[in-house]
Amino acid sequence: GNSVTQMEGPVTLSEEAFLTINCTYTATGYPSLFWYVQYPGEGLQLLLKATKADDKGSNKGFEATYRKETTSFHLEKGSVQVSDSAVYFCALSEGGGADGLTFGKGTHLIIQP
Amino acid sequence: NAGVMQNPRHLVRRRGQEARLRCSPMKGHSHVYWYRQLPEEGLKFMVYLQKENIIDESGMPKERFSAEFPKEGPSILRIQQVVRGDSAAYFCASSRGAKETQYFGPGTRLLVL
Repeated sequence: GNSVTQMEGPVTLSEEAFLTINCTYTATGYPSLFWYVQYPGEGLQLLLKATKADDKGSNKGFEATYRKETTSFHLEKGSVQVSDSAVYFCALSEGGGADGLTFGKGTHLIIQP
Repeated sequence: NAGVMQNPRHLVRRRGQEARLRCSPMKGHSHVYWYRQLPEEGLKFMVYLQKENIIDESGMPKERFSAEFPKEGPSILRIQQVVRGDSAAYFCASSRGAKETQYFGPGTRLLVL
């Protein structure tokens, strides 16, 4: 079956530091890949996505590249802010978003001033 | 442009009672998905519905859980005879079509005493 593995948290960084959150996946076909962000007490918000190999998703300074050869979709940001503190979920979908998403366990990111 | 609406936001039930969770999709969306988030876990897919049809319920427990999405009104996730292990956050997502991005609601946090 499908699965998503994310690095364990919490990840604590200082403001303006470089961020990488690792995500690798296992899928039987050619999935679409997503990063969602969850702020305290809220639902998930789509951060970015990529639907095929070598695609790069980007939004709000965050980027992730779909690497089929390493089955990875690592999230990066060059300079984090305190407001980026949240839980980040990597997810995949076999059906281009049509079916149920398979999520990783989430990575709690804490940015200190 | 209202997003996905869920109510109630918080629900407390005693063991053996019924829980009804409601989800109103975004305007123009006819596809609804339910997910459960246990403490310290990622989201797990439960069921995928279109208007009046259950498309995929592979993630739904066989006993006590049911879901519907009637022609008129919100989607309902119903849990009968709740047990403590049902305590979790339940998220609903909607999409416009079968291959489009899912947008999440704020969730219903169910606590079973």
